[in-house]
Amino acid sequence: NAGVTQTPKFQVLKTGQSMTLQCAQDMNHEYMSWYRQDPGMGLRLIHYSVGAGITDQGEVPNGYNVSRSTTEDFPLRLLSAAPSQTSVYFCASSSGVPLGGYTFGSGTRLTVV
Amino acid sequence: GENVEQHPSTLSVQEGDSAVIKCTYSDSASNYFPWYKQELGKRPQLIIDIRSNVGEKKDQRIAVTLNKTAKHFSLHITETQPEDSAVYFCAASKPASMFSGGYNKLIFGAGTRLAVHP
Repeated sequence: NAGVTQTPKFQVLKTGQSMTLQCAQDMNHEYMSWYRQDPGMGLRLIHYSVGAGITDQGEVPNGYNVSRSTTEDFPLRLLSAAPSQTSVYFCASSSGVPLGGYTFGSGTRLTVV
Repeated sequence: GENVEQHPSTLSVQEGDSAVIKCTYSDSASNYFPWYKQELGKRPQLIIDIRSNVGEKKDQRIAVTLNKTAKHFSLHITETQPEDSAVYFCAASKPASMFSGGYNKLIFGAGTRLAVHP
């Protein structure tokens, strides 16, 4: 049981490039979320999913896309990277029963130059 | 939407003292309030949570209190130890949407950096 696995751990992109951050969980959790963490700003919700085929926007969705074709995977796509997207990205999942109980992945540190 | 404010942003205590971190939330529909601890370079980990039908919850040296009327909740750490040094995040959540079922969209505070000095 690996929990929540994120890849890659580190990534450097040039402005305008696109890429996908991968997130997979093996706990059969229905609920998955993506957060970005910036100094002094806590964890801000980007997108979330309540099950395969169902996604919705969080607090800071602009510049990011998600899809959820399976229960296990929830990739985050950066369409055209900007320096403002330099951050640490965390994926998290929850069974929702009982309410809450989020498990976080180890994070991806992304730098856009 | 929900807004969570957390104070103080930094907290320094001597080993053995108590530490208190306070959070306020804006949405009266929020019904779940977890606390996460994040050590340097690591992922956030859930340390304690409380639901809106409970006023206080304790787990060994940590406790959380909730005042629904005032819309604030607090984390209390007693007999602090150097290994308690970390960033602590509060969060609040409510059902996210008509599609969410049991899912609660989790909104975090900005964090408190706690330093416990030997």
